[in-house]
Amino acid sequence: QVQMVEFGGGVVQPGRSLRLSCAASGFTFSNHAMNWVRQAPGKGLEWVALISYDGSNEYYADSVKGRFTISRDNSKNTLYLQMNSLRAEDTAVYYCARDQHLSFDYWGQGTLVTVSS
Amino acid sequence: EIVLTQSPATLSLSPGERATLSCRASQSVSSNLVWYQQKPGQAPRLLIYDASNRATGIPARFSGSGSGTDFTLTISSLEPEDFAVYYCQQRTNWPITFGQGTRLEIK
Repeated sequence: QVQMVEFGGGVVQPGRSLRLSCAASGFTFSNHAMNWVRQAPGKGLEWVALISYDGSNEYYADSVKGRFTISRDNSKNTLYLQMNSLRAEDTAVYYCARDQHLSFDYWGQGTLVTVSS
Repeated sequence: EIVLTQSPATLSLSPGERATLSCRASQSVSSNLVWYQQKPGQAPRLLIYDASNRATGIPARFSGSGSGTDFTLTISSLEPEDFAVYYCQQRTNWPITFGQGTRLEIK
């Protein structure tokens, strides 16, 4: 069955960096665009970034553009999010989500990133 | 950026009742509108894509309608497990945006 597991969350100081990973299984990873979506505590959903199936195209929310980088390794069935210059407002649960029919049809369980001094 | 406005913010109903949730877009998104359900402590779950197509495994009591700027998610007869937060989402234009959510609570 389709499964995605995120890793790499934790507590980090403002201005520092963190890299999230999402290990995918149960489907042909290289056939699908992939996304990162986040949710601040008690708040709604915010799309963060999308990467095309082959990694040739990337799209970002304005709130993270220039600070975050989405990437993928299709040989390892893994999605990444490199987060630099972290701010308090980046504190959230980060989900990876598979792209299908212009929607996010499968989601991981999420990993919590807390930016605090 | 396309802004999605969901109403009401909170909807209080009883099991067995019909629920009608609204999502209005600040400009046309054609039929590129998606609905998700999220329960506390869980990841969102895809319900409806392309405004009216049920995702795999979604019960028939969930239906979506609309096009352009006005969309509706209808739950024909509420089951206890349907009480959750519902989000709409568009991707006609970048960036992909979500509505702020409607909380469906037990009356």
